[in-house]
Amino acid sequence: TQLLEQSPQFLSIQEGENLTVYCNSSSVFSSLQWYRQEPGEGPVLLVTVVTGGEVKKLKRLTFQFGDARKDSSLHITAAQPGDTGLYLCAGESGSARQLTFGSGTQLTVLP
Amino acid sequence: NAGVTQTPKFRILKIGQSMTLQCTQDMNHNYMYWYRQDPGMGLKLIYYSVGAGITDKGEVPNGYNVSRSTTEDFPLRLELAAPSQTSVYFCASRALGDYEQYFGPGTRLTVT
Repeated sequence: TQLLEQSPQFLSIQEGENLTVYCNSSSVFSSLQWYRQEPGEGPVLLVTVVTGGEVKKLKRLTFQFGDARKDSSLHITAAQPGDTGLYLCAGESGSARQLTFGSGTQLTVLP
Repeated sequence: NAGVTQTPKFRILKIGQSMTLQCTQDMNHNYMYWYRQDPGMGLKLIYYSVGAGITDKGEVPNGYNVSRSTTEDFPLRLELAAPSQTSVYFCASRALGDYEQYFGPGTRLTVT
């Protein structure tokens, strides 16, 4: 069974601060996806990283895939209250591109 | 274009009862997935399907069954509900060659 360890589990910060969320595994994944989930809704894809060492930017969010394709990080610059939510990393493997999810990071950005 | 729809939104079952969670997608996606999400946790894969007539087990299939008779529908069946099946269930679909999975709004199930 593949496992993805995500940290921290909870994060509460002030508006304007920076933060990093980590996603680590001993397994190699074909790709690593980051989702965001709002209360009462399903996850929504933020980004997919495919190549080892790849860095993608989405406005104030920076996503990085480790060189060995076993780990990833999400960095948010100057966090805003609208960034509040549950952030999930998910590693892809298998012929049907099955996803293994991390346990999630609940982010709260206080105004 | 409704995307992925799930019914019901909420359900309370007694131990030993059975029910079917419905999932329909209107995007003509080949791949469909069922996940469960326990409080404060990520999602765990229950079953998946690569096309009509083809299904396979995920990480936590015990106590569940699925069928895929059409491209659009992928129902999840609970035969003998147990308290351990209390969870939020999400259905997702994905197009062939695409990375993104599109999720439904979920079904919140309580077994008492």
